[in-house]
Amino acid sequence: DIQLTQSPTFLSASVGDRVTITCRTSHDINTYLAWYQHYPGKAPKLLIYAASTLQPGVPSRFSGSRTGGEFTLTISGLQPEDFATYYCQQLNSYPPEITFGQGTRLEI
Amino acid sequence: QLQLQESGSGLVKPSQTLSLTCELSGGSMSRGGYSWIWIRQPPGKQLEWIGYTYHTGGADYNPSLKSRVTISVDRAKNRFSLEVKSVTAADTAVYYCARENVLLKAFDIWGPGTLVTVSS
Repeated sequence: DIQLTQSPTFLSASVGDRVTITCRTSHDINTYLAWYQHYPGKAPKLLIYAASTLQPGVPSRFSGSRTGGEFTLTISGLQPEDFATYYCQQLNSYPPEITFGQGTRLEI
Repeated sequence: QLQLQESGSGLVKPSQTLSLTCELSGGSMSRGGYSWIWIRQPPGKQLEWIGYTYHTGGADYNPSLKSRVTISVDRAKNRFSLEVKSVTAADTAVYYCARENVLLKAFDIWGPGTLVTVSS
């Protein structure tokens, strides 16, 4: 089974800050890693797929990158609406296996 | 605008069957390139995938839940359903339905989730 280790669990920041969230994989997953934003009681929102491609409609202050088995979500210039929980996710098609990171709660 | 919405019983007794439905609005489930999935999150725990139904037909399940789970689809009504048999308190969770974009290997539409509590 592929494990995703997401860090940090909690992140405190201010409007205008630049923050980074990391997801490390236990196995090679090519580039099929996605990032989601989640507000309590709402539908999670896809931000980035294939490690670094921005989903249409997502602000450009969000970016993703990969270095080996480490994937990074960066938010440059935090806005008030960015304070939420963020998850990474990987998917293997065959056999089907989907893994989520533990989540990072970004707090003001 | 494409939307998914979960519905079903919010309270299930232990040993009974949990049943949920997910309805797609603003589009068609018959369109190719997508699979449909159920995901859950127990309180304080990680998101966990439950199972898929594919555009081409058929389903796959998380091995840890496979013996108790059935996912079915009614494409004419734009909805798919989840049944989990013999539930215990460990099945208490927020249940989400989502659409997988097969090319992206990511879930591009999610429902808001529904809390199911297993309790007598």
